[in-house]
Amino acid sequence: EAQVTQNPRYLITVTGKKLTVTCSQNMNHEYMSWYRQDPGLGLRQIYYSMNVEVTDKGDVPEGYKVSRKEKRNFPLILESPSPNQTSLYFCASSLFGGGQGAHNEQFFGPGTRLTVL
Amino acid sequence: KNQVEQSPQSLIILEGKNCTLQCNYTVSPFSNLRWYKQDTGRGPVSLTIMTFSENTKSNGRYTATLDADTKQSSLHITASQLSDSASYICVVRGNFGNEKLTFGTGTRLTIIP
Repeated sequence: EAQVTQNPRYLITVTGKKLTVTCSQNMNHEYMSWYRQDPGLGLRQIYYSMNVEVTDKGDVPEGYKVSRKEKRNFPLILESPSPNQTSLYFCASSLFGGGQGAHNEQFFGPGTRLTVL
Repeated sequence: KNQVEQSPQSLIILEGKNCTLQCNYTVSPFSNLRWYKQDTGRGPVSLTIMTFSENTKSNGRYTATLDADTKQSSLHITASQLSDSASYICVVRGNFGNEKLTFGTGTRLTIIP
């Protein structure tokens, strides 16, 4: 089944304790992205990757890191989490980035609910 | 600044009734507009996509319309079902160097029996 998977789905941690949220897709997509979703603010892009070893900042990159060593994986790293990073996080992938084709649908993972105490 | 505004913020209707959700955007130049359905605690799932040359697109009981001149889109849900209870998000992609996605904050729809 074509899908985007994230782990863990739920995580409660404390300020300053490094954590990684994994994301994997099995659709051979070039483009992957991380979003956070907060009440009243909608989805905001954290980082994105156009292809292996190519990553770039989105709208809210502060406090996050990413890597893209393999096409299928795009982990999100919080080196020193803070309470303002408490949020619902989504990983997404699509065949290409940019505006290439109206049918370049973005598929979302199931989400990771992170609480930083 | 690229913006996507949705209305209403929330809506409650009786099962079986129709409803229409609105999306206004300022993204320019424009490439395409998608409507997503997001169930509580789940990732968004695409319902429809329209380019500037399309003014209507249907997916079962969901029909989206687009007026690229006025930069408005609507999502009409016919004969609502309890499973339609979800958030509906409008997402606009720009073009020609402005190709990022801009997300609306969504409309929370609740269907009551």
